[in-house]
Amino acid sequence: DAGVIQSPRHEVTEMGQEVTLRCKPISGHDYLFWYRQTMMRGLELLIYFNNNVPIDDSGMPEDRFSAKMPNASFSTLKIQPSEPRDSAVYFCASSLTYTVSPLHFGNGTRLTVT
Amino acid sequence: AQTVTQSQPEMSVQEAETVTLSCTYDTSESDYYLFWYKQPPSRQMILVIRQEAYKQQNATENRFSVNFQKAAKSFSLKISDSQLGDAAMYFCAYRSAASGSRLTFGEGTQLTVNP
Repeated sequence: DAGVIQSPRHEVTEMGQEVTLRCKPISGHDYLFWYRQTMMRGLELLIYFNNNVPIDDSGMPEDRFSAKMPNASFSTLKIQPSEPRDSAVYFCASSLTYTVSPLHFGNGTRLTVT
Repeated sequence: AQTVTQSQPEMSVQEAETVTLSCTYDTSESDYYLFWYKQPPSRQMILVIRQEAYKQQNATENRFSVNFQKAAKSFSLKISDSQLGDAAMYFCAYRSAASGSRLTFGEGTQLTVNP
């Protein structure tokens, strides 16, 4: 299995631009998570999906952030417009239904907003 | 809401020695799962070990073992025979069995292994 695949690995953009982060979960996993990692706040859960349906988006910082999962093999996290404080590493993770199942993480996208 | 606390921002150990990383958590639930993840400089999040709360026996994976104290809500990680490749940030994490699949992380402990 190729694992969770995220793209791009690095993204540098200017303030005000739209940013789209992409994720392909492990085949057969029905949970998908988006986390953000910063030095100040550590690992924060932004949103998670079950069977392509958003279950909890209470971690999404504000309306500039949106996430979609149009099918079981693809998800996007969009920031529009981006701001310097959005600079962070964004992780996508997937897991099986059973909560004993660990989350499998992608390699993350390092976002820098100048 | 569940919280996870790692009180040691940094730890260091000599190569081949043993080190223990601390983790405590707060929950009102009785059924849950605990995990330790490792994040090396490559930033990949790697599962180290997991523990089911209903199991009294402490989990072990090669040189990695846990000391799970359910009543004390403590979940420490012991690394034996430390190797240079163990140097990384270590995160403790909690996942409820009852109320969904959210994984809550602690703040992390940066482990340095000295040759």
